[in-house]
Amino acid sequence: AQSVTQPDIHITVSEGASLELRCNYSYGATPYLFWYVQSPGQGLQLLLKYFSGDTLVQGIKGFEAEFKRSQSSFNLRKPSVHWSDAAEYFCAVVPSSNTGKLIFGQGTTLQVKP
Amino acid sequence: NAGVTQTPKFQVLKTGQSMTLQCAQDMNHEYMSWYRQDPGMGLRLIHYSVGAGITDQGEVPNGYNVSRSTTEDFPLRLLSAAPSQTSVYFCASRPLQGSYNEQFFGPGTRLTVL
Repeated sequence: AQSVTQPDIHITVSEGASLELRCNYSYGATPYLFWYVQSPGQGLQLLLKYFSGDTLVQGIKGFEAEFKRSQSSFNLRKPSVHWSDAAEYFCAVVPSSNTGKLIFGQGTTLQVKP
Repeated sequence: NAGVTQTPKFQVLKTGQSMTLQCAQDMNHEYMSWYRQDPGMGLRLIHYSVGAGITDQGEVPNGYNVSRSTTEDFPLRLLSAAPSQTSVYFCASRPLQGSYNEQFFGPGTRLTVL
């Protein structure tokens, strides 16, 4: 079945440590790919997106993501996590430009230890 | 620009009651959508619209109605609320052209059905 999968429901990292959040998709063609962040009680904010070109994309707040076609993955990374990064992170895809519907993964909750 | 606004922020309903969740945007975006967010399930698309007078179903449309009489407004109606509709509801919008464009999200409405 076509889907977006975030294998890690909950991740805890220490402040200053590196972070990688995983995202895999199962669509035939390369979709448009997005990462959103949701702070507690807030709406969603776009961190970064990929639709063509350089497979390493830079986003806001020091985040980056790498698109790997062979692995159908779009993992989010940050070299050094800050306490303010504690939030829920969603990977999302637009599988088809024809409909433009945005499909979300289940989300990964990030906890940051002092 | 106010962006995407949603009212109310919180709502408690009794089973069988009806209500309308309001969504408005001032960015002249043709594409608007409604999602519901439930723990462990990410955001799921309820309905979407590609312009005034045009709506279509998403992944989980049952129990919800929408209409789009203007570009700015996209209300979501619950005709007979059920406890299974307890959720956080998000409205989003983007320009129609370019499915790779960012969707802008409202702050959400937290709905409880007793």
